[in-house]
Order: sequence, then C-alpha cells, then structure tokens
Amino acid sequence: GAVVSQHPSRVICKSGTSVKIECRSLDFQATTMFWYRQFPKQSLMLMATSNEGSKATYEQGVEKDKFLINHASLTLSTLTVTSAHPEDSSFYICSAGIDRVAKNIQYFGAGTRLSVL
Amino acid sequence: AQSVSQHNHHVILSEAASLELGCNYSYGGTVNLFWYVQYPGQHLQLLLKYFSGDPLVKGIKGFEAEFIKSKFSFNLRKPSVQWSDTAEYFCAVSMGYKYIFGTGTRLKVLA
Repeated sequence: GAVVSQHPSRVICKSGTSVKIECRSLDFQATTMFWYRQFPKQSLMLMATSNEGSKATYEQGVEKDKFLINHASLTLSTLTVTSAHPEDSSFYICSAGIDRVAKNIQYFGAGTRLSVL
Repeated sequence: AQSVSQHNHHVILSEAASLELGCNYSYGGTVNLFWYVQYPGQHLQLLLKYFSGDPLVKGIKGFEAEFIKSKFSFNLRKPSVQWSDTAEYFCAVSMGYKYIFGTGTRLKVLA
C-alpha cells in the first residue's frame, strides 16, 4: 500500500514553455502533498506544501507564480512550471502524507527529471 | 535554522562488511526521525522511523538505527551488507509535517 505515482518521469522542453507534473496517491487519500526539488549531489529541498482544496504554502525563496501548485482532490496534486528556463532544470519529487498530526509519514513518487533547453 | 548532516557522501564496502552511516540534526525540540533509501531508478522508500520509545529502531532489510538524544544523532547500521544494498540513503527529520533531509550518502557494495 501507500503508492505514489508521479508522471511524467522525464520531460524535455523548450525555454518559455510550461510543464505540468502530476502526483497521484494510488491507494490512499493524501491529506497533504509535498513538492521537493533536488539539485545534483544535494538534498531534497521542500518547495511547497499543499492541502486539498486550499492554496499551497510555499517555502521561502520559491516563486509561487513560477511554480503553480493545484491540489484539486485528495489523490491528485499538480505542479506546473510556468515559462520554464534552463535554470529550472532539476529533479522534482512529490510526496503524499497520510496524517496531519506530528507523526506524518510521507510516501514519495519516483520523481520527474525536467530538462529545459 | 534546522539542519540535517550526513557525514559520509560516498561509501564503498565489500559484501559482508558492516555499515554505519552517520546522521546528525540540529533542533532542540521533539523530532521524528527517518531513514529513506533510493535504489537506482526508483523512488524513495522508508527504511525505518523513530517517533518515541526504544531508541534502537529496527527497519526493513536488516537495517537498524539508534537515536541518541544527547548527541542529536540517528545513525543507520547494518551488520553485513549485500550487493543489493547499493543505493543512496537519506536521513530526514520532521518537525510536525515538514521534513528536512540530509544530503544523502551513496553506498556502493562490491560483490
């Protein structure tokens, strides 16, 4: 159980285009979903936290207008990288949490490698 | 600011060798602690977690970790590694719902 599907796994796009990444919890309802970014040889950095039906909470330094997050249902969250530029190239990982309280456990998607040309 | 440090970035071991990966965190309050593993081409998987109780935690695949509160540490151990343990290992600390990850340790086990 607790499977999180992330799609696509890899995307290459031209500079200036927008890219949408989907994150789905397949066999459970996720109260909260998280979006991370991972640079080469670095840690996962939390970008934003989203709760179903409400606006996402972005971490300091993350541009909310560039990284649009929608959490329309308890099983789906999307991250749209708008007007992508080469510096947005990175590995994006989503996770879904089951419990709102302190003992939240997150289950991770396989990640999306974005390359912006 | 809270942070998580993993001291070893790359570790190479022969099969049957013992493993210990260090993890230290900086936060004075109550934390929950995790070790995740990422096998090549796969997603992060939970190895083990500590919320409270016995500070020696046993996880999947023969891994264990010990929480030492006075040292702010949560080191991962395995007595005898296998080639299939080749992966990247991440320590994470959560305060409430938010996770903070360490930079990861790449383990390569030689057959």
